[in-house]
Amino acid sequence: SQQGEEDPQALSIQEGENATMNCSYKTSINNLQWYRQNSGRGLVHLILIRSNEREKHSGRLRVTLDTSKKSSSLLITASRAADTASYFCATDKYTGANSKLTFGKGITLSVRP
Amino acid sequence: DSGVTQTPKHLITATGQRVTLRCSPRSGDLSVYWYQQSLDQGLQFLIQYYNGEERAKGNILERFSAQQFPDLHSELNLSSLELGDSALYFCASSPGTGWMVSTGELFFGEGSRLTVL
Repeated sequence: SQQGEEDPQALSIQEGENATMNCSYKTSINNLQWYRQNSGRGLVHLILIRSNEREKHSGRLRVTLDTSKKSSSLLITASRAADTASYFCATDKYTGANSKLTFGKGITLSVRP
Repeated sequence: DSGVTQTPKHLITATGQRVTLRCSPRSGDLSVYWYQQSLDQGLQFLIQYYNGEERAKGNILERFSAQQFPDLHSELNLSSLELGDSALYFCASSPGTGWMVSTGELFFGEGSRLTVL
């Protein structure tokens, strides 16, 4: 079963606008990560936020984590056409040596030039 | 370029057949993960190996098996293929496992697209 559930499933915005994507999860986590996937390509890691962190920035990306609500959001500021891709949140429950990432179904972001 | 190499990139085969997908992790990475991505199921974790040993198992069918070799490359074997096995199969690697993972991120290959006819 999927641990992370992204919302919305699809998002279409104009270049220059901000894009906000949300992720909710069900059980406690060690960390939450966001990945990007261009059509038919491999996933690329964007940012990781640990369970004891509330906000993190990387370039035009801002991630927040609310463990009390079991949710995270990814904000992409000043979007560009090149940001068009699918975005996945992934959670790590950290079960010691068996730690593994569980991915949501993804959000399709379209940035119109 | 993530440094993870997967072959073949595309594979077309018939139902009932067997295929082997190969993955070379990033230099120095000890952990290898296999994921299956399909439109209806999304990205499903199949199995993880660390330094040659199986470490975690996900939604991997009994018809599927994997191994990691001493040189750390990994192979995913899919047998008695069914139409529903058509998917993108990704390999990912990371430096360690569990608490040993330095950053927690996975590095993905470009995937092997399997089409079963």
